[in-house]
Amino acid sequence: SQKIEQNSEALNIQEGKTATLTCNYTNYSPAYLQWYRQDPGRGPVFLLLIRENEKEKRKERLKVTFDTTLKQSLFHITASQPADSATYLCAPEDGANNLFFGTGTRLTVIP
Amino acid sequence: ETGVTQTPRHLVMGMTNKKSLKCEQHLGHNAMYWYKQSAKKPLELMFVYNFKEQTENNSVPSRFSPECPNSSHLFLHLHTLQPEDSALYLCASSQADRRGHEKLFFGSGTQLSVL
Repeated sequence: SQKIEQNSEALNIQEGKTATLTCNYTNYSPAYLQWYRQDPGRGPVFLLLIRENEKEKRKERLKVTFDTTLKQSLFHITASQPADSATYLCAPEDGANNLFFGTGTRLTVIP
Repeated sequence: ETGVTQTPRHLVMGMTNKKSLKCEQHLGHNAMYWYKQSAKKPLELMFVYNFKEQTENNSVPSRFSPECPNSSHLFLHLHTLQPEDSALYLCASSQADRRGHEKLFFGSGTQLSVL
């Protein structure tokens, strides 16, 4: 079955810096991969989707890359703000068009 | 608001109780899902319904019984649960097309505690 590793359970960065979160997957190569944000006590909220034939996707201060050779996706938040503090979930497609979620990285942006 | 509403938000039940979780989506989507989220664990896909037909059942114990009466409503019936079933239960919906399921819209979840 698919195994997903998100670089660290928690990441602290200074406001204004760029946060980089890593998602590594093994076994099956997904046709697409999604990133979600989850705040405490809430359901995840979709941020970005990137397909296997795309190298990079951007949305405002967010950027996602997808390296199918390395089996890795990187998620960047530039000019980070305290409001960006949340848990970020990586979710590659599992071969059956469903999503397989990682445990997430809890990001804290320090003012 | 994500357009997906779950009730109740919190539920405490004994191991011999029977209860149901409800989910309703107002987005016109054709697929609905139940996920389980336990502390320190990734979201686990439990059930998937496409056009009201169940297409996934990921080895979920029979004490969890889903029901999808129409494309807007999804239920999860619970009976004789165990304390390890305590978790956040999340409902989601999506619009599936030929390329697969696009982004999921999640409800806020039901925090379930089994005593």
